[in-house]
Amino acid sequence: AQTVTQSQPEMSVQEAETVTLSCTYDTSENNYYLFWYKQPPSRQMILVIRQEAYKQQNATENRFSVNFQKAAKSFSLKISDSQLGDTAMYFCAFQGAQKLVFGQGTRLTINP
Amino acid sequence: NAGVTQTPKFRVLKTGQSMTLLCAQDMNHEYMYWYRQDPGMGLRLIHYSVGEGTTAKGEVPDGYNVSRLKKQNFLLGLESAAPSQTSVYFCASSGTGNPPDTQYFGPGTRLTVL
Repeated sequence: AQTVTQSQPEMSVQEAETVTLSCTYDTSENNYYLFWYKQPPSRQMILVIRQEAYKQQNATENRFSVNFQKAAKSFSLKISDSQLGDTAMYFCAFQGAQKLVFGQGTRLTINP
Repeated sequence: NAGVTQTPKFRVLKTGQSMTLLCAQDMNHEYMYWYRQDPGMGLRLIHYSVGEGTTAKGEVPDGYNVSRLKKQNFLLGLESAAPSQTSVYFCASSGTGNPPDTQYFGPGTRLTVL
């Protein structure tokens, strides 16, 4: 079975700093997607970024980028120039052939 | 574009009562899902559907039933609510594919069972 592990329960940085959230996963599948979802206090699950496993190039969305290391089964999220609105729970998720599996989440706080 | 909507947003039940949560999507997605999120945890899959008229069990299906009579709607039912079902419930939908395409989530329903 697939598992997703986020080893940082909480993180806190100052506004405008760069922060990296870690995620590792375990799978025997070769074709899959990886996601980072953001859940602010409103509880809405918001897609931040998506990575296809067959693509070597790391995905980027404005201030958000990933470091995808397929052999190491690692998928970290880097947030540049962090903003107060980035304060949220961040979930790493794995989508294989069967289902979407979530990590436990990292609570990120951006301080003014 | 509304995306995925859920009704109601909040609900309080007494033990043993029944209720139905409604999920609607306007993205013409084939796949729909119901998840629950307990405090400090990620989402866990309850049931899902890969098309109108089809449903399947997820990771934590006990105590829940679902129906997909129309492509755009996916209903989650609790026949006899228990305090252990106090949670936040999320619906999601996605396109097809192998693996399935990105899931888009509704705003959630907070359910409390007393």
